Amino acid sequence: AQSVTQPDIHITVSEGASLELRCNYSYGATPYLFWYVQSPGQGLQLLLKYFSGDTLVQGIKGFEAEFKRSQSSFNLRKPSVHWSDAAEYFCAVEGSSGSARQLTFGSGTQLTVLP
Amino acid sequence: GAVVSQHPSWVICKSGTSVKIECRSLDFQATTMFWYHQFPKQSLMLMATSNEGSKATYEQGVEKDKFLINHASLTLSTLTVTSAHPEDSSFYICSARALAERNEQYFGPGTRLTVT
Repeated sequence: AQSVTQPDIHITVSEGASLELRCNYSYGATPYLFWYVQSPGQGLQLLLKYFSGDTLVQGIKGFEAEFKRSQSSFNLRKPSVHWSDAAEYFCAVEGSSGSARQLTFGSGTQLTVLP
Repeated sequence: GAVVSQHPSWVICKSGTSVKIECRSLDFQATTMFWYHQFPKQSLMLMATSNEGSKATYEQGVEKDKFLINHASLTLSTLTVTSAHPEDSSFYICSARALAERNEQYFGPGTRLTVT
């Protein structure tokens, strides 16, 4: 079974600063990888996804993520954070076949943006 | 496109009563729908996977007789919390996988259930 680790429970950055949220996964084959954002009391919004091909993935709202197979990582980055980016961020992995074809979420990283 | 709705968005019920939550894919057909719950400041935990026209598959530790799932059509799945208790209070989120896009789930806005 697959698993996801988000080592940082809470990150605080100043508006305009760069951001990197860490995500490590465990899965025997090439996984499908996702980053979602959740505002308080809301559902999930997909920021970006990786299935195959180019390991640097561009998403919405200026986010990008890089798949590094050797490190089993899929870290999310943004060069300049906006106050509206404050939210909870979830990394998720889905296996490619059989019973693994369901999303497993990391524990989430809460992002606070200082003015 | 790819919009998933949930109804109600929030509900308060008394302990011992049952509550039904609907999940609809508005502009696509979904062969598979998923139900998650999320306790405060925690991640989403998969409760069950339902395929249209067949019985749901429940995750370990989820009581199938307490959380009844019906996936009657390609656009509608319902979750009924039977004999609700305060510990069932949670945020319930559904998602749907489209026929044409096998690798992505689209999430509903969630339903906040409070059992008093």
